[in-house]
Amino acid sequence: DSGVTQTPKHLITATGQRVTLRCSPRSGDLSVYWYQQSLDQGLQFLIQYYNGEERAKGNILERFSAQQFPDLHSELNLSSLELGDSALYFCASSVGGADPETQYFGPGTRLLVL
Amino acid sequence: GESVGLHLPTLSVQEGDNSIINCAYSNSASDYFIWYKQESGKGPQFIIDIRSNMDKRQGQRVTVLLNKTVKHLSLQIAATQPGDSAVYFCAENQAGTALIFGKGTTLSVSS
Repeated sequence: DSGVTQTPKHLITATGQRVTLRCSPRSGDLSVYWYQQSLDQGLQFLIQYYNGEERAKGNILERFSAQQFPDLHSELNLSSLELGDSALYFCASSVGGADPETQYFGPGTRLLVL
Repeated sequence: GESVGLHLPTLSVQEGDNSIINCAYSNSASDYFIWYKQESGKGPQFIIDIRSNMDKRQGQRVTVLLNKTVKHLSLQIAATQPGDSAVYFCAENQAGTALIFGKGTTLSVSS
């Protein structure tokens, strides 16, 4: 158990809908990262938050957004869902210092768009 | 763009053998590397890391080797067990930002 929690574990929805994925980082970690894992693309970085502020952006679509709240939990919002958005979505957390550091991953949310 | 990749998509070994999983990276500025293990239906699990100022690091049954000259990273698992069966990813990280993952090697251990 990494100490990172994610809810829900599974999500089934229809095209055009909007969903929210939730992540709680490890105790003491200030940085939260979101990754998407699909069969053909592997693990792709989406976005990073540090202590409530956006720090880095990766291959995140404009239909997707995220935020980190004062209690440091984070939410990833996916809207106007398409079939191709079906994937595993992982959250990771780290202490958030300036040096490269280990990121610990949650168990993921499996999203299926029908 | 620059990325981290793996040489082989699959590796099959017998229980008790030593396993070696390889990874090539292209960004010479990378300064931190991590190996993750991902079991089916679970998130990536940290195994071992190494910084660019080192060329070898050992953990429990695992060793990571870094060759900066040829930009190559390897994970050695000693006395491989069925529980080691999983997908192994190497990842590169710079300055505490995003991890760049390779595509993974599936390790299958038969008893």
